[in-house]
This record gives sequence, C-alpha cells and structure tokens, in this order.
Amino acid sequence: ETGVTQTPRHLVMGMTNKKSLKCEQHLGHNAMYWYKQSAKKPLELMFVYNFKEQTENNSVPSRFSPECPNSSHLFLHLHTLQPEDSALYLCASSTVLGMETQYFGPGTRLLVL
Amino acid sequence: QKEVEQNSGPLSVPEGAIASLNCTYSDRGSQSFFWYRQYSGKSPELIMSIYSNGDKEDGRFTAQLNKASQYVSLLIRDSQPSDSATYLCAVVGASNTGKLIFGQGTTLQVKP
Repeated sequence: ETGVTQTPRHLVMGMTNKKSLKCEQHLGHNAMYWYKQSAKKPLELMFVYNFKEQTENNSVPSRFSPECPNSSHLFLHLHTLQPEDSALYLCASSTVLGMETQYFGPGTRLLVL
Repeated sequence: QKEVEQNSGPLSVPEGAIASLNCTYSDRGSQSFFWYRQYSGKSPELIMSIYSNGDKEDGRFTAQLNKASQYVSLLIRDSQPSDSATYLCAVVGASNTGKLIFGQGTTLQVKP
C-alpha cells in the first residue's frame, strides 16, 4: 500500500451506534489531520496531530474522539452522531506540521440515519 | 469576511482555452499557498504549491501569487475536458500551526 489509506470507504450508522474510522499513511510523515467535507461547504479542519500529540481541536463536538497511537495511524471514534454529521471525512498527512504539503486519503463517506 | 474566498462558479471554458481561477485570503501573514483539484466523489489532490511572490509553472498549470494584494490564482492552459473538477485554494495562516484553511472551491467545466 502506498500513500494515505482510509477504511471504511463508506459507512452508514444509526444515531446510537459507535463506530471508528481508520487512517494509515505509508509516507513516513509525522503530522496527521482529520477534515470534514459537507456539501456546499469548504473543507473543515477537525483535528491535528504532530508526532502523535494532538495540537489542534477545532471546536469539534465530543461525539467525535480522535486517537493517534503512532505517527502512521489515526482513528476517529464516533458515537451518538447526528444526521448533520453526515459528510465525507478525510484524513491527510504531511512531512512536518506547518508549511508542508498535505496529502489526502480517499475519504470515508458517512451517512447518519 | 471569509478567510479564503473563491468564486464557486461554475466557470465554463471551451476545450483548448485558458482557465483562470482566483482566490483571495484575509490573513496578511500567510506564507504557504496550495491549489488542490477534487473530482466529484474523490479526495483533493495537490496541483501546485507556491510560497513566494510571482509565477510558478508546472506543465499546463501556472500559479501566481501576489502577497501585497493577498491574491493567488491558477491558470490552466490548453484546458481539457479531464480538467473539469472543483479547484480548491488552501492557505496556511501566519501562525504556521499547520492549519490549512480552504476556500469553498471553484467548479470548472471544460466543454469539448
């Protein structure tokens, strides 16, 4: 596998479910990011991790819980989501935090019923 | 005022023409600027990055940056139908925390 991978690619869940999104990067990068992309809205940064440490939480509701066990893996744990949380969730990584180019995974298309 | 602004379009150009995509940003201290292309249902892919004033060319693509005017643009020469996509302008702010701020994107349609 190369680049940034995400699983699952599609997810349908009820509001009472608990699920997790997984991201893995094979680029040797040290910074990883979660973004949310809703229809007709700009990409929104959710969380930033640098060398496994969270450096940014962009006022994300607590029903989204990130986890970064190492520099190659990033998870987004979901629980008691709302229908308005339905969106494309994108993971990205970069060599270091800051000015460097970010590379995106294919995304997880989430539908909350 | 939005931090990064783009005209949502759609911008329609004939095949072979030059497509000009524009972006303005509000943070005067911003240092890094990126153009991403996003096909429908896909994730963004990097087209160009630019860090200093002037032009940067890569094949059919030219990025232009004017920090005094807080303006960055992307020119696509000899536009092809395969260039039809949404183009996202992204800026890293002055705080340089790695926070990439995106515009809403401009949809480009290249008609054969």
